[in-house]
Amino acid sequence: DIQMTQSPSTLSAFVGDRVTITCRASQSVSTWLAWYQQKPGKAPKVLIYKASSLESGVPSRFSGSGSGTEFTLTISSLQPDDFATYYCQQYNTYSPYSFGQGTKLEIK
Amino acid sequence: EVQLVESGGALVQPGGSLRLSCAASGFIFSDHYMDWVRQAPGKGLEWVGRSKNKFDSYTTEYAASVKGRFTISRDDSENSLYLQMHSLRTEDTAVYFCIMFLYGEPFWGLGALVTVSS
Repeated sequence: DIQMTQSPSTLSAFVGDRVTITCRASQSVSTWLAWYQQKPGKAPKVLIYKASSLESGVPSRFSGSGSGTEFTLTISSLQPDDFATYYCQQYNTYSPYSFGQGTKLEIK
Repeated sequence: EVQLVESGGALVQPGGSLRLSCAASGFIFSDHYMDWVRQAPGKGLEWVGRSKNKFDSYTTEYAASVKGRFTISRDDSENSLYLQMHSLRTEDTAVYFCIMFLYGEPFWGLGALVTVSS
């Protein structure tokens, strides 16, 4: 099975900051990688799929990059609504899907 | 528009059974793999299992934590996915989501809450 290692687990930042979250896969997943934002009591919201495709309706300050085993989610200028928990997910169908441990983004 | 709607969540005693359903629309259901994912209170996301499509003979796969206790099935005529859960444990308490991918884009339902408690 493919293991996903996400870092950092917690991130404190100011409104307006540029932040980056990293996800590493234990073996190549090509670009079968999604990023989600989750707020308490809600289902995960899709931000990025296929590593770098922006989901419809998601602000352009969110971007994803990477392929193979190294991926990043970048928020170019943090807004108050962005403080939430973020997860990566690999979805290579030759393996069970797996998720990163999550990154809690907090207001500094 | 793809829609996934879970139902059947409930409070159940340890050792009990429960069946969740996921009603799907907006895509050709029989063509796609369908998966269940869960999230325990305050915890991360955990893959539960998968039903492959008709081309892959509807093969099912399970996480080690549920194998032998949970069974995934589907009814393509009803565009529905099921999760039959037996021998439930307190650690199975979670919100259960059905998910699918269409041309690489993920779609999730809103989830169904299963609480295992005496």
